[in-house]
Amino acid sequence: EVQLVESGGGLVQPGGSLRLSCAASEFMFSSYWMSWVRQAPGKGLEWVANIKQDGNEKYYVDSVKGRFTISRDNAKNSLYLEMNSLRVEDTAVYYCARPRSSGSSRRAFDIWGQGTMVTVSS
Amino acid sequence: DIQMTQSPASLSASVGDRVTITCRASQSISSYVNWYQQRPGKAPKLLIYAASNLQSGVPSRFSGSGSGTDFTLTISSLQPEDFATYYCQQSYSSPQTFGQGTNLEIK
Repeated sequence: EVQLVESGGGLVQPGGSLRLSCAASEFMFSSYWMSWVRQAPGKGLEWVANIKQDGNEKYYVDSVKGRFTISRDNAKNSLYLEMNSLRVEDTAVYYCARPRSSGSSRRAFDIWGQGTMVTVSS
Repeated sequence: DIQMTQSPASLSASVGDRVTITCRASQSISSYVNWYQQRPGKAPKLLIYAASNLQSGVPSRFSGSGSGTDFTLTISSLQPEDFATYYCQQSYSSPQTFGQGTNLEIK
């Protein structure tokens, strides 16, 4: 079964750091753009970042630029989100998501992980 | 960045009703709009991709239309399991923004 499984969430103080991981299985991970999407409690979905197949193109939403870094390890079929200088407003469930076809970034997300909760609080 | 303005924010309807949700992009995005359904505590589920294409396994009562800047999601005859929150998303360019969501409630 095609699957994404996130891990690494937890409670962190403002200004702290956290690294999220997303393990992919049963598809050719190295052929797909990959994305992170988050959802604050009781709020809507917010696209956070995406990364090209080879890791050489990355895009971020303005609110996380300079603080978050998306990366991937194709040999380990894994996607990462390094989060630094965390703020209370970064509190959310973080999902990794895969587009429905390989090659392009312009595709809808048909595979989502179950999400991992990040809580930023003192 | 492209803004996606979704309306209404909430909607009350009855089983069997036909409902329409709209999304407007701040600039032309061709047909790069996708629609998702989300139930509480669950990950989003893809319903419609590229404006009008039904994702595999999604019931045919769901349909999408539009191009350029104006898009709609229609549910032809609401079923009990359709009461959820719906989001549009543009995948034309990064950041790939979502609409604010429409909470579909039982009347």
